[in-house]
Amino acid sequence: QVQLQESGPGLVKPSGTLSLTCAVSGASISSNTWWSWVRQPPGEGLEWIGEISHSGNTKYNPSLKGRVSISVDTSKNQFSLKVYSLTAADTAVYYCARHGSGPYQEFWGQGVLVTVSS
Amino acid sequence: QSALTQPRSVSGSPGQSVTISCTGTSSDVGAYDFVSWFQHHPGKAPKLMIYDVSQRPSGVPDRFSGSKSGNTASLTIHGLQTEDEADYYCCAFAGNFYVFGTGTKVTVL
Repeated sequence: QVQLQESGPGLVKPSGTLSLTCAVSGASISSNTWWSWVRQPPGEGLEWIGEISHSGNTKYNPSLKGRVSISVDTSKNQFSLKVYSLTAADTAVYYCARHGSGPYQEFWGQGVLVTVSS
Repeated sequence: QSALTQPRSVSGSPGQSVTISCTGTSSDVGAYDFVSWFQHHPGKAPKLMIYDVSQRPSGVPDRFSGSKSGNTASLTIHGLQTEDEADYYCCAFAGNFYVFGTGTKVTVL
């Protein structure tokens, strides 16, 4: 069974950088699929942040205007998210997910709450 | 790109059927047959219920069904059960990115 676990700081300062990691078990990060990050601000809906392929190709949500970066670490079987120039609007539960055989997120992590505040 | 439009809430009694709509544009919902639906209980991981408009992953009850017409996709829950009470989100693949719906709270009366 594929399992994903997000980790990272729960509190980050405005204008700073958020770094999150998604540890994958039960599957290889090098398998032929995509790996996504999705977030949910308090009281709001889900927002797709971006994704990375097994070969390192990336796609990002245009609305985040170049403030995000996703990378993969095959040696640790994990992938990571960085969000730059943080504001309070980046406060959210952040989820990582693995895609299925097509463009859909099949397995999800439990999520981690990140608060942007001074 | 804007979030896909879903009703804020729907409700039904046990055993009844409810349908959740998901309205987008010709650039997302209407562009590809790649619409998925997720069930989300607060504090838990979202669960994939439908992918590719109408396909059910293994383990999802056949009470859940999906369809699409033009720029609107729909999720129907037949024979509503108490454990179906949750938030539901649609998601459409739009070529180089994904767009989620605004979310619908399903209440079992």
